[in-house]
Amino acid sequence: RKEVEQDPGPFNVPEGATVAFNCTYSNSASQSFFWYRQDCRKEPKLLMSVYSSGNEDGRFTAQLNRASQYISLLIRDSKLSDSATYLCVVSTPSSGNTPLVFGKGTRLSVIA
Amino acid sequence: GAVVSQHPSRVICKSGTSVKIECRSLDFQATTMFWYRQFPKQSLMLMATSNEGSKATYEQGVEKDKFLINHASLTLSTLTVTSAHPEDSSFYICSARAGPLPSNEKLFFGSGTQLSVL
Repeated sequence: RKEVEQDPGPFNVPEGATVAFNCTYSNSASQSFFWYRQDCRKEPKLLMSVYSSGNEDGRFTAQLNRASQYISLLIRDSKLSDSATYLCVVSTPSSGNTPLVFGKGTRLSVIA
Repeated sequence: GAVVSQHPSRVICKSGTSVKIECRSLDFQATTMFWYRQFPKQSLMLMATSNEGSKATYEQGVEKDKFLINHASLTLSTLTVTSAHPEDSSFYICSARAGPLPSNEKLFFGSGTQLSVL
């Protein structure tokens, strides 16, 4: 089982649609969770951290379920500029130098 | 915010040559740098972790003699792909941390290097 698994995608949605991405992680010791956005051949950029209580940033809402080891990202009122690959990212600190573990990513295409 | 400069952004080379990729933290001291590799439609895979002044720690399956990492200063880490072959063609990206976790805001990425080996 892979450490971080995501919906395979791609998701093709019209402008204004609501779209949800899911992610599961295998290591129950994981402590930090993030959603990153990556455009083609570019570096990943942090979209938002994910907290147990759930958190919202404008049109984006992230949820974490530690019991199910499940993370989600909801995008409301999709814009053309939201087209990108969304990466579910998990960190499992065992020392001060713990890297991030990236999911394969889910590609989103928002269509006019 | 903090910036990590990575170059070159794109390299095309012949099989058998060596390629050096540089990653610099421009306005902070990076105690730890991570090197990732990403094949098309795949996730970023950690290759190695380097700490300034010590040997890099390589992930399983990554040849340390092929992928040489040097982190000689707190602002510079280099990855050298020695005797590159077509299967090494990939997107290589570095990330640098200015402080310990869990503050993800202190983890910064370079812009990546697309390596194509002919």
